[in-house]
Amino acid sequence: EIVMTQSPATLSVSPGERATLSCRASQSVSSNLAWYQQKPGQAPRLLIYGASTRAAGIPARFSGSGSGTEFTLTISSLQSEDFAVYYCHQYNNWHTFGQGTKLEIK
Amino acid sequence: QVQLVQSGAEVKRPGASVKVSCRASGYTFTSFGITWLRQAPGQGLEWMGWISAYNGYNGNTNYAQKFQGRVTMTTDISTSTAYMELRSLRSDDTAVYYCVRDLGYCSSNRCSFFDHWGQGTVITVSS
Repeated sequence: EIVMTQSPATLSVSPGERATLSCRASQSVSSNLAWYQQKPGQAPRLLIYGASTRAAGIPARFSGSGSGTEFTLTISSLQSEDFAVYYCHQYNNWHTFGQGTKLEIK
Repeated sequence: QVQLVQSGAEVKRPGASVKVSCRASGYTFTSFGITWLRQAPGQGLEWMGWISAYNGYNGNTNYAQKFQGRVTMTTDISTSTAYMELRSLRSDDTAVYYCVRDLGYCSSNRCSFFDHWGQGTVITVSS
């Protein structure tokens, strides 16, 4: 099983600032990596797939990068609606998820 | 538009079984598969397994090792519905269970990201 490790567990950032979230895979997943945003009481929402492709309707302030074992999700200028939990997900070998990063208001 | 509509919340006793349904619409059910995930309270997402509804592969499954022997996934292509049954329930099975659309055939175990989700089904296991 591929283990996905996200860091940090909690990230405190002020609105308008940049947030950088990391995800590491225990072995290469090529570019088969997705990012999701989840708000309380809701199902996760797809943000990024293929490591760097924004899903339909996702604002340009969200960007993804990386390949192999190291991945990053960057939110360029945080809006109030961006404070949520973010998960990475590898689908290169069935499915595993990171444990999540909680993005909170500083 | 693609929709996955799940059955309603349930409360079960330890040792019982639960069967959750996921009715698909807005796409050709037999061109895809369904993956089941769960999320315990305050925890992350956990993959439970996958079932194909794809022509020629319908009924093929792959279960996460943790759930093998305790879970069964099925499909009814006549109603475009997928089912997940979990047996011998324990308190730590309390979670929100999600169905998501996946590939109909995961070549070399490579599947898909999840762009369509069910609304989630809350299963509570309590004596």
